[in-house]
Amino acid sequence: AQKITQTQPGMFVQEKEAVTLDCTYDTSDPSYGLFWYKQPSSGEMIFLIYQGSYDQQNATEGRYSLNFQKARKSANLVISASQLGDSAMYFCAMREGRTGNQFYFGTGTSLTVIP
Amino acid sequence: DTEVTQTPKHLVMGMTNKKSLKCEQHMGHRAMYWYKQKAKKPPELMFVYSYEKLSINESVPSRFSPECPNSSLLNLHLHALQPEDSALYLCASSQAIGVLTEAFFGQGTRLTVV
Repeated sequence: AQKITQTQPGMFVQEKEAVTLDCTYDTSDPSYGLFWYKQPSSGEMIFLIYQGSYDQQNATEGRYSLNFQKARKSANLVISASQLGDSAMYFCAMREGRTGNQFYFGTGTSLTVIP
Repeated sequence: DTEVTQTPKHLVMGMTNKKSLKCEQHMGHRAMYWYKQKAKKPPELMFVYSYEKLSINESVPSRFSPECPNSSLLNLHLHALQPEDSALYLCASSQAIGVLTEAFFGQGTRLTVV
């Protein structure tokens, strides 16, 4: 079974609008971490935001917030006030306490910001 | 400093060549990773080193040989590669097992095998 599922291969958003990128995960481990990464066409994988399974509040980092719904096993990324520089691939990832040093990645969502 | 440095950024090599990719971090991370990534696909895990010992080898062909000389350095030795090995190779580091925090990635090496 897929550990991380991203169902939106491509998304478009108008500049200055907010956009939500979906991510669902599958684990039976009570201890895990969820991550979002941005990968521009240059190739670098940029860490955006982290949510721990025991965190009570949704993570936020500047214009990025993570909508963590534990019962639904979803960890959607919300980007507010989109900018042209946000155009990139976005990957959701998970790390489990049991498997430790393994990061599981989703298939990614390609976001295009339209001026 | 959250930097992972990879060299070279670009590499073109023939199928009979031997080359090495290098990766360095100074964040005190004790887990280091090699990933292979094809265009528009997620990264595929190749190797994980934990405390300088190889802990995961995802059935990678022996023409790829990893090495972790110390806690800051990670190498990937390449020999007799095939054209299908052309890809972006990403190095990453993180705190080791027990701490479920993020991995930081280098800028990658774009490898072309001719």
